[in-house]
Order: sequence, then structure tokens, then C-alpha cells
Amino acid sequence: KAGVTQTPRYLIKTRGQQVTLSCSPISGHRSVSWYQQTPGQGLQFLFEYFSETQRNKGNFPGRFSGRQFSNSRSEMNVSTLELGDSALYLCASSLDGRALYGYTFGSGTRLTVV
Amino acid sequence: AQSVTQLDSQVPVFEEAPVELRCNYSSSVSVYLFWYVQYPNQGLQLLLKYLSGSTLVKSINGFEAEFNKSQTSFHLRKPSVHISDTAEYFCAAYPGGSGNTGKLIFGQGTTLQVKP
Repeated sequence: KAGVTQTPRYLIKTRGQQVTLSCSPISGHRSVSWYQQTPGQGLQFLFEYFSETQRNKGNFPGRFSGRQFSNSRSEMNVSTLELGDSALYLCASSLDGRALYGYTFGSGTRLTVV
Repeated sequence: AQSVTQLDSQVPVFEEAPVELRCNYSSSVSVYLFWYVQYPNQGLQLLLKYLSGSTLVKSINGFEAEFNKSQTSFHLRKPSVHISDTAEYFCAAYPGGSGNTGKLIFGQGTTLQVKP
């Protein structure tokens, strides 16, 4: 079966702009989590969506938001971009969000803010 | 506090030598533990996981990890590494509980550098 698809793979944006990233989970998976990966902070949890509802949220400012559609595809949005938002953004797909069924990661979107 | 600590940021090793990548977790997290591998410009690939049962878990490419509850450790080992094992390795834990769905706590990563 197809894996987790993240688009686009690379993005370059200017400070102050906003950006939307997309994640299509494995077919049948209803939970999508988002992570930010930077050299300094490592992998940090942003939020998790399940059945179109945000169930869990990490410690990120309100500029970071997301949503999930009825087909389980998810988008995350970052408004008013800052240089520090440059990172690899990863999404993870799972059956129901519990570790018991595992998490499958996409290849990520590399965001560069200039 | 919930945390995962990888004790080595970089581990250089010669090809065909054994290797151990160390991981400790705080006792406040659930005992669902994972090792992921990341190759350059790629996402995370699951290497192996411990959920319950046998404390020794193995991957299809020769890695193994042992869950040690008394030492709160989940070290990753391979008896003989290959050049292709060069990558960054992440240890992760699932905090558990109804308020932590979809969330993994990651260590800072260990870069394994296999030299010819």
C-alpha cells in the first residue's frame, strides 16, 4: 500500500509570509501527527489530528495551526513566518494515534525561511 | 518530566565492527519504545519497537535492542556494521495516557559514522 505522502518536498519562503504543508496518510489511517525537526531542538511534536479534530497539541505558538479533512488528509499552516521556522516538517500516520499500532513517517517538507 | 536521552551524539566505528547506541528514558513515560533511522534528506524509518513481551527485539537488517526496565534503557546494538548503516538514529518513547495520542518523545539523535 502507498506510504505517507508529504507535499511539497521543498519550500522557500520570505519572513512574514505564510505557508501550508500537506500530508496524505496511509489509506485507512485516521490519525496524523506533525513534527518539527531542527538541528538545535531536534524532533518536537506539533499536534495530532484524528477524525478531523485536534486531539493533542505541543508547545508551539498559535502561528502554527492545522486541520484534517474527511479523507484524513491533513494540512498544517504557519503564519507570519520567522527565520527560526526553517526546519524539516514531518508528518506521521497511524491507525488511531496509539503507539500500539505504530507510526509511519513521510519524507518531510524542508522549509527555508529567508 | 518525560524525556528520552541518547547518550552519544556521534559514534564512529569501522566497518564490520560491533556497535551500541545508547538510549535511556525517564520512568514517567510509557514503556512503548522505538528506534527510528533517518538517512540524509529523508524521513524517519522504523527500525524496531518494544511494546510488551520479550525484552529483546530484532529488526530484519541485523539490529537488536533490549528493554531494561530496572535501568530504564533501550540500547540498540549490531554485531557487525556496514557502510550503508551510516545514518542518524533516534530513540523515541510514547508517553501514554489519553492526552498524549499521536505523540512520541524523541532523543536528540545519534549519528552513526561507519568507516571503511
